[in-house]
Amino acid sequence: QVQLQESGPGLVKPSETLSLTCSVSGASISSNYWTWIRQPPGKGLEWIGYINYRGITNYNPSLKSRVTMSVDTSKNQFSLQVTSVTAADTATYYCARGGNSHDSWGQGTLVTVSS
Amino acid sequence: DIVLTQSPGTLSLSPGERATLSCRASQSVSKNYLAWYQQKPGQAPRLLIYDVSSRATGIPDRFSGSGSGTDFTLTISRLEPEDFAVYYCQQFGSSPRTFGPGTKVDIK
Repeated sequence: QVQLQESGPGLVKPSETLSLTCSVSGASISSNYWTWIRQPPGKGLEWIGYINYRGITNYNPSLKSRVTMSVDTSKNQFSLQVTSVTAADTATYYCARGGNSHDSWGQGTLVTVSS
Repeated sequence: DIVLTQSPGTLSLSPGERATLSCRASQSVSKNYLAWYQQKPGQAPRLLIYDVSSRATGIPDRFSGSGSGTDFTLTISRLEPEDFAVYYCQQFGSSPRTFGPGTKVDIK
């Protein structure tokens, strides 16, 4: 059974960098594409982008200038960085398996941007 | 970007009733790459349907998907108490992937 777990700070100051990691168990990170999705409180889902084990990425153009994804195959993890955050980046961030539809998701982690 | 519109915004039904949820795309979804997810409060979304009509692993057959091009439908044949939730459609035929705003199915 595939399990994903997000980790990282729950509070980030405006203009700083949000950094999250997704740890994958039950599947090799080399076997698929891996996606980040976020959901502002009380709102819908926004696709951030995906990465594969070779580091091939595809980002949402709306965030592309501020987003970087990376992968660590030795740890079976992948990561997300969002720079220059504002209150609009406050959301629950999910990692998920797949570059198309997503059959496994992490539980999500709430990141609040506030001073 | 492909914009997905879902209707209705809220669907109020009783257990045992049939639910019909609509997802309309601003342009044709390539290869019918459309999925449906269910999300309950405080939980991550769960994949129900992919490629328009294929049920994900472990999804009961009361859930079915149909449609093509720009018009898609999720049908729940007989609502069970655990089916009251928010449902999102997602297209993955082109980038950026996009989600609809969701339809909330609540108890009448």
